[in-house]
Amino acid sequence: GAGVSQTPSNKVTEKGKYVELRCDPISGHTALYWYRQSLGQGPEFLIYFQGTGAADDSGLPNDRFFAVRPEGSVSTLKIQRTERGDSAVYLCASSLWAGADTQYFGPGTRLTVL
Amino acid sequence: QQQVKQSPQSLIVQKGGISIINCAYENTAFDYFPWYQQFPGKGPALLIAIRPDVSEKKEGRFTISFNKSAKQFSLHIMDSQPGDSATYFCAASKRNNDMRFGAGTRLTVKP
Repeated sequence: GAGVSQTPSNKVTEKGKYVELRCDPISGHTALYWYRQSLGQGPEFLIYFQGTGAADDSGLPNDRFFAVRPEGSVSTLKIQRTERGDSAVYLCASSLWAGADTQYFGPGTRLTVL
Repeated sequence: QQQVKQSPQSLIVQKGGISIINCAYENTAFDYFPWYQQFPGKGPALLIAIRPDVSEKKEGRFTISFNKSAKQFSLHIMDSQPGDSATYFCAASKRNNDMRFGAGTRLTVKP
């Protein structure tokens, strides 16, 4: 079946602009996770949803970052007033439920802020 | 906020050899310890995982060894193959939610 998909695969933007990154989880997965991976580093946890609600957003670096999952399926990560330091690959993962053993990762969105 | 330390950063092994990657964690509340494999341009994929109630778990050529008192765990890849060449990440979490990853080990298996 289809895996986790993320769009766009690449996004180039200018400093100060607003961006939205989309994640389509595996059908039927109720938990959804966002991570950020900088070059040469491991993924860094940002936020996870169980259903429509954000169960833990402790990894969001500041209030420029926000994520929603209004219908419990697709999620959008929103970054306001982008900074060069936001450049990274943003990964999305989903699992059957929060705490299930396997998180399935998408291929990521590479964000470049010029 | 690095709660999981991974070593080495890179590793070169001959085909058929054993690859060993080590991780150490700080938070004793962690109760789930997975290893992920990542190929260039792809997201990480779960390889094998362990919970702290066992000291070893084996799946095919991959084995996790876990030392709860030392707060360390390691991945052993037996009979390493060129197709195993990838970046490997250890991770730790509470109830597999807010997962904390190590910095990664780039493994190269030479034919």
